[in-house]
Formats: sequence, structure tokens, C-alpha cells
Amino acid sequence: EAGVTQSPTHLIKTRGQQATLRCSPISGHTSVYWYQQALGLGLQFLLWYDEGEERNRGNFPPRFSGRQFPNYSSELNVNALELEDSALYLCASRSTYYGYTFGSGTRLTVV
Amino acid sequence: AQSVTQPDIHITVSEGASLELRCNYSYGATPYLFWYVQSPGQGLQLLLKYFSGDTLVQGIKGFEAEFKRSQSSFNLRKPSVHWSDAAEYFCAVGPRGGGGNKLTFGTGTQLKVEL
Repeated sequence: EAGVTQSPTHLIKTRGQQATLRCSPISGHTSVYWYQQALGLGLQFLLWYDEGEERNRGNFPPRFSGRQFPNYSSELNVNALELEDSALYLCASRSTYYGYTFGSGTRLTVV
Repeated sequence: AQSVTQPDIHITVSEGASLELRCNYSYGATPYLFWYVQSPGQGLQLLLKYFSGDTLVQGIKGFEAEFKRSQSSFNLRKPSVHWSDAAEYFCAVGPRGGGGNKLTFGTGTQLKVEL
């Protein structure tokens, strides 16, 4: 089966712009998780979507938002980009047996 | 609140030597436990997981981990390290039961392998 896919692989934006990152979970998985991995800050939980609803969010400002579509794919939007938003953004989907499977990530660079 | 501690930020071992990466967790109940590996610029690959049953779990690439409830530990081991094992390793905990809540990660251990 196909794994978790994320696009784009790399994204370069200017401070103040908006970024949109996309994630497709493994077929049949309804939950999608977003994590931010910034240099020196480790893996920080951002958002959890399940069945189209936001179920939990981490300690991030409201300019980090997203949604989940009927096909369970998800979008992460970051508004008013700041330099410190530069990071690797990882998406994961979950199954009861296999646990959490991660995609390869989107490298966001804010200049 | 749940937390995961990986006390070793960097570890260097010689190729062929044994490896043990430490992981301790703090959680309200016995969680699900995971080890992931990350190569530079890449996503996370699952090495192994513990849900229940035998406390010694086998994973991919020759790795194993042992869950010790009394010590709240889930240490990762490999009997003979290969140069390709050089990467960053993350221990993580997640909740049991339904709901599928978030994983909490340790800060990672960077493994360097000397040839």
C-alpha cells in the first residue's frame, strides 16, 4: 500500500506570506497528525484531525490552521509567516495495529 | 503530563560494536511505545513498537527494545551496528485505547558510527 504522502517536498516563502502544505494518509486511515520539527526544538505536535474534525491542537498560535477533507487528506496552512516557522513539517496517519506512519515531510523555508 | 526523556544527545560507536539507546517516559498509565529513526532531511521511519505482551520486541534492521514497567523505560538495542545505522533516533509514547491522540517524542539521540 502507498504510504503517507506529503507535498510539496520543499517550499520557500517570504516573511508575511501564507504557506499551504498537503498530506494524504494511508488508504483507510481517518486520522491525520501534523508535527513541526524546527532546528533545536525537536518534534512538536501541531494538530490532529479525525473524520474531518479538528480533535486536538498543540501550543501554536492561531495562524497555524488546517482542515481535513472528505477523502481524509489534510491541509496545513500557516499565515503571516515568520522566520521561526522555518522547519520540517511532518504528517502522520494512524492505524490501530501499525501505529503512526509518517510521511517524508515538507521543508518550509521562510526568508 | 506525559514526557519522554532520552538522556544521550549524541552517541558514537564503532562499526560492529553493540548499541543501547536509553528512553524513559512519564505517563499516567502504560502507554504505547515507539522507536523511530530519521536520516538527515527525511521523515520518520518506524523501527518497532510495543503495545502489549512480550516485553522484548523485535523491529526492523536488527533492532530490538525491552519494555521495563518498573523502570518506565524502553531502551533500544542492536548487537552489531552498521555504518548505515548513523541517524537520529526518537523514542515516543502514545495513548492506549481509542481516540488516537498525539504522540509525545523525546528530544532524540544522534548516532555516529565510526568505521
